[in-house]
Amino acid sequence: KQEVTQIPAALSVPEGENLVLNCSFTDSAIYNLQWFRQDPGKGLTSLLLIQSSQREQTSGRLNASLDKSSGRSTLYIAASQPGDSATYLCAVNFGNEKLTFGTGTRLTIIP
Amino acid sequence: DTAVSQTPKYLVTQMGNDKSIKCEQNLGHDTMYWYKQDSKKFLKIMFSYNNKELIINETVPNRFSPKSPDKAHLNLHINSLELGDSAVYFCASSQVGQGAEEQYFGPGTRLTVT
Repeated sequence: KQEVTQIPAALSVPEGENLVLNCSFTDSAIYNLQWFRQDPGKGLTSLLLIQSSQREQTSGRLNASLDKSSGRSTLYIAASQPGDSATYLCAVNFGNEKLTFGTGTRLTIIP
Repeated sequence: DTAVSQTPKYLVTQMGNDKSIKCEQNLGHDTMYWYKQDSKKFLKIMFSYNNKELIINETVPNRFSPKSPDKAHLNLHINSLELGDSAVYFCASSQVGQGAEEQYFGPGTRLTVT
C-alpha cells in the first residue's frame, strides 16, 4: 500500500533557528513529490516540487531534498520567522496521476 | 488573478439536501481533481478528470457525482447529504504529461451538514 508519513505531527521552534521537516513514503517508485503549506482555514500553497530524477529543489529560504532509495524527503527552512508558522504537507505522486498526502506537521515559530 | 477558484467558500445545509460546488481553473490545464480534507485534516483524492473524462474514482459513494462541462470546469454535486460529508473540499488542476505536473489547489469549500 502506498502511504506517506510525516513525523512529528507538531513542532515548535524559536525564531531564527534552522529546522527540518520530515516525510517518508513506502514505495520508492515515485513520479514526483510536492511540499505544501496550509494556513489555518486556508487552502494549500505549493512550495516546492521535486521530480523523481532530482535530488533537491530550492526556493528562497526553503530547500527540499529527495532520497528515493530510503523513501524520504526533507524540507529545510533556514532562519525561521513567525510567518513560517503553518501546517506543512508532503504529497507524493506514485505515478498514478493523484497525490497521496501525509498527515502534515504543524509548525509554530516562537517569536 | 485567481488560478483555481471554487464557489461557494462556505456551505451550510441540512441532512438530506442536494448541493453543488463549482470549480474553475484559468491555467489551461487539462486535468482537474477533487480532494476531501476531513476533520482530522487528512487530505484524500476523490476524483480526477482529464479533458472532461473521468480518470480516477476513489471508491467515493455514488451520492457524489462530478461533472466536467469543459476542461476548465469541474463541478461536484452531492445528493442526500449526510453528517459525515462535513469536510473541506479542495479542487486542484495540473497539466499531465508536461513533465512538471505540479498540482495547483483552490481555496477550498467548507461544507457543514447539520
